[in-house]
Amino acid sequence: EAGVAQSPRYKIIEKRQSVAFWCNPISGHATLYWYQQILGQGPKLLIQFQNNGVVDDSQLPKDRFSAERLKGVDSTLKIQPAKLEDSAVYLCASSLDGGVGEKLFFGSGTQLSVL
Amino acid sequence: QKEVEQNSGPLSVPEGAIASLNCTYSDRGSQSFFWYRQYSGKSPELIMSIYSNGDKEDGRFTAQLNKASQYVSLLIRDSQPSDSATYLCAVRYGGDYKLSFGAGTTVTVRA
Repeated sequence: EAGVAQSPRYKIIEKRQSVAFWCNPISGHATLYWYQQILGQGPKLLIQFQNNGVVDDSQLPKDRFSAERLKGVDSTLKIQPAKLEDSAVYLCASSLDGGVGEKLFFGSGTQLSVL
Repeated sequence: QKEVEQNSGPLSVPEGAIASLNCTYSDRGSQSFFWYRQYSGKSPELIMSIYSNGDKEDGRFTAQLNKASQYVSLLIRDSQPSDSATYLCAVRYGGDYKLSFGAGTTVTVRA
């Protein structure tokens, strides 16, 4: 079974530039999550999709971050413009249908450095 | 996002000893509880899940849950150098089962 695919693996940009990350979840998984993990901290949920609808985006800085999930499969997370404090690993995860006992499968993450 | 607090690390234990990790959570209505292991530079992977009060054992790992005290713990018995990692406590809460993570506790097992 193929895992969660993310790209790029690394990205270095200057502040005020824009950047986009891509995620392809495990086939058949309805729930997709984007987490931000700053060095030394636990993952923080940015947005959770159920199919192509948003379940929760309360911690997404909507003035600069946006995310979409086309046709309930792939997802893209964008930052525009980037700030220094956005330097982090961006983790995409998926689960079958977001149920109470479900396990999350994580991708390998995108490490973003904002200079 | 609801609060999930973990005991501060790092935690250093000798090989063969028991490592004890603690976690408290703020939402009394939380329904399910997880421990993820994260090696340096890697993504989290699930090692234990627990849903009801009491103990749950899986190999060298034991998870303990006390909903009245809003407390969940993880014991690693016979610790091995390969157990050296950051352990993340995660809690599901709310009608749409959001998953909130703690900051993690880093464990180092000394050979």
